[in-house]
Amino acid sequence: ETGVTQTPRHLVMGMTNKKSLKCEQHLGHNAMYWYKQSAKKPLELMFVYNFKEQTENNSVPSRFSPECPNSSHLFLHLHTLQPEDSALYLCASSHGLAGALADTQYFGPGTRLTVL
Amino acid sequence: AQSVTQLDSQVPVFEEAPVELRCNYSSSVSVYLFWYVQYPNQGLQLLLKYLSGSTLVKGINGFEAEFNKSQTSFHLRKPSVHISDTAEYFCAVLYMDTGRRALTFGSGTRLQVQP
Repeated sequence: ETGVTQTPRHLVMGMTNKKSLKCEQHLGHNAMYWYKQSAKKPLELMFVYNFKEQTENNSVPSRFSPECPNSSHLFLHLHTLQPEDSALYLCASSHGLAGALADTQYFGPGTRLTVL
Repeated sequence: AQSVTQLDSQVPVFEEAPVELRCNYSSSVSVYLFWYVQYPNQGLQLLLKYLSGSTLVKGINGFEAEFNKSQTSFHLRKPSVHISDTAEYFCAVLYMDTGRRALTFGSGTRLQVQP
């Protein structure tokens, strides 16, 4: 899928660093999502934004800070992460109409994050 | 708590053989069901989804799945697999009665198609 892009594709950071992950969708969607994919664990939803408003925070630690400046862009700001935060972070988007979480979510390729 | 169980972490199969990937979910009044595929170094791609209507759902790449409410299952099938089907497959459920607009994913099944 080229409709959802994520940068960078790979990121290595120390526990004291501050970095940001970027997601951009070119599909005209209004809902965007951050997921965490860890080895041997199910995919975990982190945040949902619908029309730029955060509608779900799945008890994510405050060291992860999302930002959605418009419907096409979604950021995940990272600070003072732990090694256990190393994972593949996936962004997704969907139409986001009312009650429409059941519409198709389009995923980006992910950012492989390693925290040293 | 709602959960999604994919009973097999890995399924090896020979090319052109049929395959079934199993998915069970915790019982709920109303659910939407999905299968996604993840090829190496890529994001997830929707294979098919069940929202309502016919319990047999056809998706892309020749896959189909059947919703069985009494058994709380949504198994994925393909009558003849190709090498290119080698990937990780995820079952996901949206529990409509929780008020949460969040998909619950299974832990995935790695399909390995051998020549």
